Amino acid sequence: NAGVTQTPKFQVLKTGQSMTLQCAQDMNHNSMYWYRQDPGMGLRLIYYSASEGTTDKGEVPNGYNVSRLNKREFSLRLESAAPSQTSVYFCASSEARRATVQETQYFGPGTRLLVL
Amino acid sequence: DAKTTQPPSMDCAEGRAANLPCNHSTISGNEYVYWYRQIHSQGPQYIIHGLKNNETNEMASLIITEDRKSSTLILPHATLRDTAVYYCIVRPYTNAGKSTFGDGTTLTVKP
Repeated sequence: NAGVTQTPKFQVLKTGQSMTLQCAQDMNHNSMYWYRQDPGMGLRLIYYSASEGTTDKGEVPNGYNVSRLNKREFSLRLESAAPSQTSVYFCASSEARRATVQETQYFGPGTRLLVL
Repeated sequence: DAKTTQPPSMDCAEGRAANLPCNHSTISGNEYVYWYRQIHSQGPQYIIHGLKNNETNEMASLIITEDRKSSTLILPHATLRDTAVYYCIVRPYTNAGKSTFGDGTTLTVKP
């Protein structure tokens, strides 16, 4: 199992350009998450998807859109990138079945985004 | 979701126990305490979680006070590879809560 994979690993954008960050998990998890981490700071939740077909806003959703394409994939789109969106983006997934207490999140390796 | 408070940094001598505190005074009855760590710029890694009883696994022990308002993560024999940022978060039992990671504690294990 690869766990949680993210593409690309690194990206440079110019202000105003758009891009989509891809995330996939092969653990048959129900929930998926997108976080951003600015230098020297903790992770902040952008969006999450409790289950296939649903998405909800986190702490810092402005400037982003998400798509839960299927159970495996959860993408994050920047429609018009801004320098303030320069950050490391982490995708995570969790099993999130009501019958268990297994809410452990498994994280991908991150995508480092630089917006000039 | 409840917020957590952690000291920004701590040092620990190699081979000694590292005790990392976390305050979560507004925790509610259905919220679990989770600990993660982040080494360098990697994705965070799960360590342990608990509700009200103390927990132990191969990585660490978690001590939760009786009133559940604070907890301590214990790394019994810290190694240089335990140098990382440690995050304490609380989140509800139900799926996909808006858990907040905060800034964590930077633990530096010194030889």
